[in-house]
Amino acid sequence: DVKVTQSSRYLVKRTGEKVFLECVQDMDHENMFWYRQDPGLGLRLIYFSYDVKMKEKGDIPEGYSVSREKKERFSLILESASTNQTSMYLCASRPGAVGNTEAFFGQGTRLTVV
Amino acid sequence: DAKTTQPPSMDCAEGRAANLPCNHSTISGNEYVYWYRQIHSQGPQYIIHGLKNNETNEMASLIITEDRKSSTLILPHATLRDTAVYYCIASRGGYNKLIFGAGTRLAVHP
Repeated sequence: DVKVTQSSRYLVKRTGEKVFLECVQDMDHENMFWYRQDPGLGLRLIYFSYDVKMKEKGDIPEGYSVSREKKERFSLILESASTNQTSMYLCASRPGAVGNTEAFFGQGTRLTVV
Repeated sequence: DAKTTQPPSMDCAEGRAANLPCNHSTISGNEYVYWYRQIHSQGPQYIIHGLKNNETNEMASLIITEDRKSSTLILPHATLRDTAVYYCIASRGGYNKLIFGAGTRLAVHP
């Protein structure tokens, strides 16, 4: 059974803290993604990685950075958490083959910044 | 990846077919149409995909117009458990981004 695992289901952090959200996949997928989801806005892409140490900005990268030191792990970093980063964060992975490849999602991390 | 446009919400009676439309007028020849759904508080789940031909699996059917500028996801006998947000995406796959829109919120009622 394929799996994308996010380290925490719920997280509460203080404003200004450095926050790490971890995602691990066991499918040897090349591509990994971080999204945030807010009511009425759907899923918005924060960052995307297509290989170890490779990354591309998504639509809303401001205030975030990422790290991919190993193929199976993709970390989202909030350098200095702010209240407007309170959101649901979703990680996904997908094979690098062209065409008919589906993405697999983790269960999400609901982050609250107080 | 091409932009997709979906209605923000739809209703369907339980047991009836739910037909969810998607416009992707700028889709390129090597982009697939994917459908995902997200049930409340869960990560999105893959439903079906297609390139040119109509496709069917155990969950749904996908009808793609001949010019590929639009498609329809069909849930043949909707149940209450099909209440979810449905996302239509055009993507080449490979080492490319996966961009979601706002999706269609489908409400199935008794």
